[in-house]
Amino acid sequence: AQSVTQLDSQVPVFEEAPVELRCNYSSSVSVYLFWYVQYPNQGLQLLLKYLSGSTLVKGINGFEAEFNKSQTSFHLRKPSVHISDTAEYFCAVRLNTGFQKLVFGTGTRLLVSP
Amino acid sequence: DAGVTQSPTHLIKTRGQQVTLRCSPKSGHDTVSWYQQALGQGPQFIFQYYEEEERQRGNFPDRFSGHQFPNYSSELNVNALLLGDSALYLCASSLTSGGVSPLHFGNGTRLTVT
Repeated sequence: AQSVTQLDSQVPVFEEAPVELRCNYSSSVSVYLFWYVQYPNQGLQLLLKYLSGSTLVKGINGFEAEFNKSQTSFHLRKPSVHISDTAEYFCAVRLNTGFQKLVFGTGTRLLVSP
Repeated sequence: DAGVTQSPTHLIKTRGQQVTLRCSPKSGHDTVSWYQQALGQGPQFIFQYYEEEERQRGNFPDRFSGHQFPNYSSELNVNALLLGDSALYLCASSLTSGGVSPLHFGNGTRLTVT
């Protein structure tokens, strides 16, 4: 079975500072990896995904993530955050075969202050 | 192009009652998945429907059941409600054919059981 660990429940950061949200996964087989963002009282929006190929993946809103197979990590980064980036961020994994569910981490709350 | 729509947005029920939640997938999508998100947690997979059949199920009791209609819309039914069923229920749609299709989420139905 797959699992996802988001090491930080909350990350406070000042506006225009860089940020990294950490994600580690566990799986005995190949997986696809995703980052979703959830704003208050809304559903989840896809930020970016890793399926195969280049390990550096660029997403929306200036976010990027790097897949590291040896460390089973998929950390999310942004070089300069805005107040509007304040939200809950979820890392998720799924197997790369068939009808496979997404397994989510517990989320990291990014708090951007002026 | 309408995204995933869910109804109702909020619902209050009493223990022991039954509830039905509804979901219309994004235009062009044929697969619907349901997730339960308890407060402060990541979404947990309930089940997935494709071609009007349940294709995969998570670790949820039989009190949770679903249905997919010919127009790809879906319902989630929960019987004999417990206080612990209080959560945000998220519907997600995707396209099964043509490679890996990321999930598109609706804004959810907030269910409160008293």
